[in-house]
Amino acid sequence: DAGITQSPRHKVTETGTPVTLRCHQTENHRYMYWYRQDPGHGLRLIHYSYGVKDTDKGEVSDGYSVSRSKTEDFLLTLESATSSQTSVYFCAISVGAGVGAFFGQGTRLTVV
Amino acid sequence: AQSVTQLDSQVPVFEEAPVELRCNYSSSVSVYLFWYVQYPNQGLQLLLKYLSGSTLVKGINGFEAEFNKSQTSFHLRKPSVHISDTAEYFCAAMSGGSNYKLTFGKGTLLTVNP
Repeated sequence: DAGITQSPRHKVTETGTPVTLRCHQTENHRYMYWYRQDPGHGLRLIHYSYGVKDTDKGEVSDGYSVSRSKTEDFLLTLESATSSQTSVYFCAISVGAGVGAFFGQGTRLTVV
Repeated sequence: AQSVTQLDSQVPVFEEAPVELRCNYSSSVSVYLFWYVQYPNQGLQLLLKYLSGSTLVKGINGFEAEFNKSQTSFHLRKPSVHISDTAEYFCAAMSGGSNYKLTFGKGTLLTVNP
């Protein structure tokens, strides 16, 4: 599992509240990613990081922010959750093109 | 930007039958291709990958895929499926110089029936 831990694994929150999801890795890899998975859409990239304090947007970044103050932690924040952000969120790390990516177990977020 | 198209959203087959899951990618000078499998309520697991060299790549659980540059395809095959192969399968592409970002297809749900 490449030492990736996502927390929480499940969360129900109310519309308009802030939510932070955490991804923790034990291997000190440089590249980390947040994806969301929705039926009929596959996985879509939200944000990614290529080092401490170095982040960039993916294809579905609106309504999300990220932070990476330590190599091992990559945080995804929904500033004001909406029902459209109900999804399964996956964190991933990459060790290079030749390997692809390793994924965490996912966080199921429900916004009511 | 890279794009990946999985041509079938659902593929039902009977146990011990052969299966092919189709994937097309947008053309790129250098592209790496992957197939991932997701069992219910689990994360994604790498099945196989194509980086360069032989166009036929073999992966875990008896799966293989063939890279076809002229048709920009990377179809996944298994000669005889088992009930335990029931899962969702994702094709993904990574372009050179992309910070190793993966672009995924929408997935194909393979259902193996007895």
